[in-house]
Amino acid sequence: DGGITQSPKYLFRKEGQNVTLSCEQNLNHDAMYWYRQDPGQGLRLIYYSQIVNDFQKGDIAEGYSVSREKKESFPLTVTSAQKNPTAFYLCASSAAGRSGNTIYFGEGSWLTVV
Amino acid sequence: GDSVTQMEGPVTLSEEAFLTINCTYTATGYPSLFWYVQYPGEGLQLLLKATKADDKGSNKGFEATYRKETTSFHLEKGSVQVSDSAVYFCALSGFSNDYKLSFGAGTTVTVRA
Repeated sequence: DGGITQSPKYLFRKEGQNVTLSCEQNLNHDAMYWYRQDPGQGLRLIYYSQIVNDFQKGDIAEGYSVSREKKESFPLTVTSAQKNPTAFYLCASSAAGRSGNTIYFGEGSWLTVV
Repeated sequence: GDSVTQMEGPVTLSEEAFLTINCTYTATGYPSLFWYVQYPGEGLQLLLKATKADDKGSNKGFEATYRKETTSFHLEKGSVQVSDSAVYFCALSGFSNDYKLSFGAGTTVTVRA
């Protein structure tokens, strides 16, 4: 089935550790996105990529890093510089940037700092 | 920049009641407008969308009309069910924000039997 796969579903991070969240899509989409969701705050964009080997910062990129070496993959690393990483992280993808294109979401990953 | 403002929740309704969630937007140009739904512990699913003024999006009994004159995209359903309990997000996408989605804060809807 076509879709977006995020892993792991649940992840625990110790203080000072870097962790990487995986996102894979088989929809042949050019654009991919990472959003963070906190209770009552909606979704905020961390990074996005519209083409392989290129990506841009979103609204809250500090403390995060990404790579886009393959069209189908867009992993997110939460670094130790991110002061409050506990949140629900959502990966998304869409066809090349054009008004009206639907953005599709994965099932999300829960990250908790312990 | 582009932004979306939606009605704050939570909203609690009885089954078969009428649901309205207000959404207004600020944007340069002519964005596309979306409603997404999120069930507990899951990702977001597209509920409906409209890409130009006066378009009406509809799905699963939900409707929303793109009103350029009032910069609004209110979500409505005539008779809700318990299974409609979820968080609903209004969002926009357009040239001026590089076709990324800008979201409202979300509205939590609970439908009681």
